[in-house]
Amino acid sequence: DSGVTQTPKHLITATGQRVTLRCSPRSGDLSVYWYQQSLDQGLQFLIQYYNGEERAKGNILERFSAQQFPDLHSELNLSSLELGDSALYFCASSVAPSGLSYEQYFGPGTRLTVT
Amino acid sequence: DQQVKQNSPSLSVQEGRISILNCDYTNSMFDYFLWYKKYPAEGPTFLISISSIKDKNEDGRFTVFLNKSAKHLSLHIVPSQPGDSAVYFCAASGFRNTDKLIFGTGTRLQVFP
Repeated sequence: DSGVTQTPKHLITATGQRVTLRCSPRSGDLSVYWYQQSLDQGLQFLIQYYNGEERAKGNILERFSAQQFPDLHSELNLSSLELGDSALYFCASSVAPSGLSYEQYFGPGTRLTVT
Repeated sequence: DQQVKQNSPSLSVQEGRISILNCDYTNSMFDYFLWYKKYPAEGPTFLISISSIKDKNEDGRFTVFLNKSAKHLSLHIVPSQPGDSAVYFCAASGFRNTDKLIFGTGTRLQVFP
């Protein structure tokens, strides 16, 4: 158990809909990262938050947004869903302030299926 | 542009033997490298890391080697055990203002008795 929790574990929804994925980082970790893993692909970095502020953006679509709340949990919002958004979405956390490299610890993921 | 590459999608090794997983990278700005193991239906689990100022890091049965001039790193597992069967991802970081990870596409390791 990494100490990172994600809910829900599975999500099935229709095209055009909007969903919210939730992540609670390990106790004491200030950074939260979101990654997407599509079928047979590596993990693609989406976005990082550090202590409530956006720190870095990766290949995140404009239809997607995220935030980190004062209690450090994070939510990833996916809207106007398309079939191609079906993927595993992982949240990770680390203690690192930006600019330094530390291990990231991953949650179990949310499997999103768009039908 | 794939900055981190794992060119072997799969590897099969007999129990007790050495498993060697390879990873190549293109960005010379990377200064920290990590290996993760992933079982089906679970998140990646951190295994071992290495800073660019080192060329070797060892943790029990796992050793990571870094060859900066070749932009190549490898993970050695000795001896391999059936429980090591999983997908292994190489990852790299070292960007200003963020420690986001760039992952390879993974190598599926199967350890057979």
